[in-house]
Amino acid sequence: DAKTTQPPSMDCAEGRAANLPCNHSTISGNEYVYWYRQIHSQGPQYIIHGLKNNETNEMASLIITEDRKSSTLILPHATLRDTAVYYCIVRGLHGSGNTGKLIFGQGTTLQVKP
Amino acid sequence: DSGVTQTPKHLITATGQRVTLRCSPRSGDLSVYWYQQSLDQGLQFLIQYYNGEERAKGNILERFSAQQFPDLHSELNLSSLELGDSALYFCASSVEAGQGDEQFFGPGTRLTVL
Repeated sequence: DAKTTQPPSMDCAEGRAANLPCNHSTISGNEYVYWYRQIHSQGPQYIIHGLKNNETNEMASLIITEDRKSSTLILPHATLRDTAVYYCIVRGLHGSGNTGKLIFGQGTTLQVKP
Repeated sequence: DSGVTQTPKHLITATGQRVTLRCSPRSGDLSVYWYQQSLDQGLQFLIQYYNGEERAKGNILERFSAQQFPDLHSELNLSSLELGDSALYFCASSVEAGQGDEQFFGPGTRLTVL
């Protein structure tokens, strides 16, 4: 799986958009970009994923650059409840089998402030 | 609520003991994953089962073992426990086993080894 690089921490004002960057310069053509978040020792929560097109759901938007070497997760109107660790994960096929295991890095701790 | 259940929520035991953690996946999900989260190692993939068969292995110690039963629930067995095994253990499930599948995480079991 490609390695990802995220800033260790970010702040965002409540009600503003939170833009969380992720670099994945070694991503290969069949690897997806996934975002999960973990709110204070709860189980990680899936947010969104994409391959090469921008994606949007009820939680967030995912912008993937044309060369796919980086992406940005956008929380359009951050609330205090969005304070969490956000993980950017790249994953693909493994050897002769197909496994969905997730390899978590250190993530970005997003602090939403009032 | 992700639909994944884990029992017990908390477990306190002594070094050298053996414990069993239980996970019930979401209805219809065939794949179960186990992850360990400790303060110094972050979230680490341990093992994956798909429809009763082991699919992938991560950094799982030989003292640890897992299985998935015909009703698809899974158990993680930890033996000869050491202080360093104290951690949050998460179970996740997905419909299939591949890279395109969203994983749903349970609330975790907090293991404390004294």
